[in-house]
Amino acid sequence: EDQVTQSPEALRLQEGESSSLNCSYTVSGLRGLFWYRQDPGKGPEFLFTLYSAGEEKEKERLKATLTKKESFLHITAPKPEDSATYLCAVRRWEAGNNRKLIWGLGTSLAVNP
Amino acid sequence: DGGITQSPKYLFRKEGQNVTLSCEQNLNHDAMYWYRQDPGQGLRLIYYSQIVNDFQKGDIAEGYSVSREKKESFPLTVTSAQKNPTAFYLCASSIALAGQQETQYFGPGTRLLVL
Repeated sequence: EDQVTQSPEALRLQEGESSSLNCSYTVSGLRGLFWYRQDPGKGPEFLFTLYSAGEEKEKERLKATLTKKESFLHITAPKPEDSATYLCAVRRWEAGNNRKLIWGLGTSLAVNP
Repeated sequence: DGGITQSPKYLFRKEGQNVTLSCEQNLNHDAMYWYRQDPGQGLRLIYYSQIVNDFQKGDIAEGYSVSREKKESFPLTVTSAQKNPTAFYLCASSIALAGQQETQYFGPGTRLLVL
């Protein structure tokens, strides 16, 4: 069964304390892995798309990497404003017009000043 | 500023009532989507549309209906047949449904509550 699992469920960091969030997936034929940030009561904000193993993308304090089984979102020297839920979604190869993304449950990150 | 707008921010539904959630985008995107978000569950796709006057069911379409009469607009109606409508509803759009143009961008969401 296709599945996306994010860990940990929740993470609390001190400001400046770097860490990584994990998104592991079991899908047949990956056609894209997406990272989003979601603040409470708001819609997800797009961060990155990764398409192939070995690919890396960076944006400010965030860096996303992809292997054949998982993706990591590395947060370097986080600030309190990085506190949010980080969502991962995967699109698999599928014939026809089914455009479903498979979503993880997210990692809730809290950064203390 | 280009973006996706959803209205209202909060919506209250009475038993047996149909309600319609609005989604408008000025990004000139072809594809639009509706998701439902519940605590402890990942986003679930309700309906999506690739072009005007065409739409497909997602995983949980029962009790919902949509229309796509204009490229910019993709309203969602929650019908009385949806027995558990309380959730956070998210509208999204993407340039297209192929390759690297299918990254989805989300609106701010509508929270639907049942009275």
